[in-house]
Amino acid sequence: EAQVTQNPRYLITVTGKKLTVTCSQNMNHEYMSWYRQDPGLGLRQIYYSMNVEVTDKGDVPEGYKVSRKEKRNFPLILESPSPNQTSLYFCASSLRGPGNTIYFGEGSWLTVV
Amino acid sequence: KNQVEQSPQSLIILEGKNCTLQCNYTVSPFSNLRWYKQDTGRGPVSLTIMTFSENTKSNGRYTATLDADTKQSSLHITASQLSDSASYICVVSAGGSYIPTFGRGTSLIVHP
Repeated sequence: EAQVTQNPRYLITVTGKKLTVTCSQNMNHEYMSWYRQDPGLGLRQIYYSMNVEVTDKGDVPEGYKVSRKEKRNFPLILESPSPNQTSLYFCASSLRGPGNTIYFGEGSWLTVV
Repeated sequence: KNQVEQSPQSLIILEGKNCTLQCNYTVSPFSNLRWYKQDTGRGPVSLTIMTFSENTKSNGRYTATLDADTKQSSLHITASQLSDSASYICVVSAGGSYIPTFGRGTSLIVHP
């Protein structure tokens, strides 16, 4: 089954404690991206990757890092989480870019206290 | 700046009724427009894609229209069902850009 898998689905952490949200897709897609979704603001792109070792900033990259060492994986790293990063995070992938159908993961609820 | 505006922000209808959701965009150069359905707490799922040359596209009870001249799109839901209760998100892609522009969504509630 074609899918985007992200973990953990739910996480409560403390300010400053580094965390990583993993993302994996099994569709051999070139394009992967991370979004955060906050009430009233909709989905906002954090980072995206056009292919292995190629990443770039989205609309709200501050406080986040990503890496794309393998085609199927695109982890999101919060080096020093802060309460304003409390949000619902989605990983997504598409064949070559956002013009193709974007497949979203099930989301990761992150709370930073 | 590329923008996507959706209306209404929320909508409540009775089961079996029809409804229409609106999307206005200022994205240039236009590449395509998609409608996504997002159930509460789940990831968005693609419903339709509209390119510049397409006016209407249907997916079951969902029909999307596009007017590229006025930069407007609509999503019409026919004979609504309880399972249609969700947020509907309009997403517009610009040619040559890797960052899509998302609308804030319309929250639809279908009551029995």
